[in-house]
Amino acid sequence: GNSVTQMEGPVTLSEEAFLTINCTYTATGYPSLFWYVQYPGEGLQLLLKATKADDKGSNKGFEATYRKETTSFHLEKGSVQVSDSAVYFCALSDVNTDKLIFGTGTRLQVFP
Amino acid sequence: NAGVTQTPKFQVLKTGQSMTLQCAQDMNHEYMSWYRQDPGMGLRLIHYSVGAGITDQGEVPNGYNVSRSTTEDFPLRLLSAAPSQTSVYFCASSSSGSVYNEQFFGPGTRLTVL
Repeated sequence: GNSVTQMEGPVTLSEEAFLTINCTYTATGYPSLFWYVQYPGEGLQLLLKATKADDKGSNKGFEATYRKETTSFHLEKGSVQVSDSAVYFCALSDVNTDKLIFGTGTRLQVFP
Repeated sequence: NAGVTQTPKFQVLKTGQSMTLQCAQDMNHEYMSWYRQDPGMGLRLIHYSVGAGITDQGEVPNGYNVSRSTTEDFPLRLLSAAPSQTSVYFCASSSSGSVYNEQFFGPGTRLTVL
């Protein structure tokens, strides 16, 4: 079945460091891919998405490229801030049910 | 514009007790859904609704009931709580059921069943 695998957390970085959170997927067909972010005490928010291979989603300095050959959608940011501390969820759309399938989430902690 | 609101934020129940988790949205969204979030398992879909009067089961519906009498509200009922239902529950809404439309999530309800 369809699934999403994310790297274990927490990821701990100093401010201005480079961020990569790995996400790989298994899916039939051609799903769309998403990153959601959950800030402390809040619900999830859509961060970015990509709907087809080689698309790059970007928002708030974050980027992720849909790589069909490696079935990956890694999240990157060139210079993180303390305010980026949150839990990040990778997700894909199940092409049969049109429902989201979420990864387990990766907690990011950024220290000054 | 409050978005998606959930009450209560925290709840402790004893096994066998019943309760209703409330969810409301003020964006006139047709599609609403309930997820549970468990450690190491991501979010899993419990029930969803594509409009008032229409509900359907998600991935993990057992032990939960829902109804949708208005566009705004989508309560989740636990008829006889079990420790396996200890989790964080999120309600979400979007303008349609398609995943291509952004889903808006509430802040969650943390439920503990003893």
